[in-house]
Amino acid sequence: QVQLEQLGAGLLKPSETLSLTCAVYGASFSRYYWTWLRQSPGRGLEWIGEINHSGRTNYNPSLKSRVTMSAATSENQFSLRLNSVTATDTAVYFCARGLFLLGPGRVFDVWGRGTLVTVSS
Amino acid sequence: DIQMTQSPSTLSASVGDRVTITCRASQSISRWLAWYQQKSGKAPTLLIFEASTLESGVPSRFSGSGSGTEFTLTISSLQPDDFATYYCQQYHTSSPTFGLGTKVDIK
Repeated sequence: QVQLEQLGAGLLKPSETLSLTCAVYGASFSRYYWTWLRQSPGRGLEWIGEINHSGRTNYNPSLKSRVTMSAATSENQFSLRLNSVTATDTAVYFCARGLFLLGPGRVFDVWGRGTLVTVSS
Repeated sequence: DIQMTQSPSTLSASVGDRVTITCRASQSISRWLAWYQQKSGKAPTLLIFEASTLESGVPSRFSGSGSGTEFTLTISSLQPDDFATYYCQQYHTSSPTFGLGTKVDIK
């Protein structure tokens, strides 16, 4: 049974850096793209980006200048850093497994529980 | 970005009702559309991909159809466990986008 366990802080001040990690259990790390998404009342569900086992990344163009993803393959973990956060980055952040299907993009079949990240002074 | 528009935003229904949710894409996405169900406080779960392919373990009362820019999710006979919010997601591009959701609540 595949499980994703999210780790990281949930309260930040404006201009700080958001840092989250997702630990993967029960799945081959090298066979998938590993993804971060977020959800807020104002913006709905938003794809942040993805990374594979070799470190290849794809980021949402709207966040690309502030996002860095990394992968620790030997530990079956991947991480998200989002710098210079503001109140608009307040959201529930999810990690998820991205499937390779026939289409160009990805669908997400396993999700972490989500981490509420609040940005407030 | 491809914009995904769902309708209605809220739908009130009773157990046993047939329910249909529509999702429209701002440009053609072929059949690269997925549907998710989300219950309050939980992560979304994948129901359907490639417009009409049921994810393993999803009950057969769920079905999807459509191609191009217009898609539907149908629940043939609504069950108590189905009261939730449903989202469509396009994966025609490498930057996927979601609709804003349709909340199915009890009439």
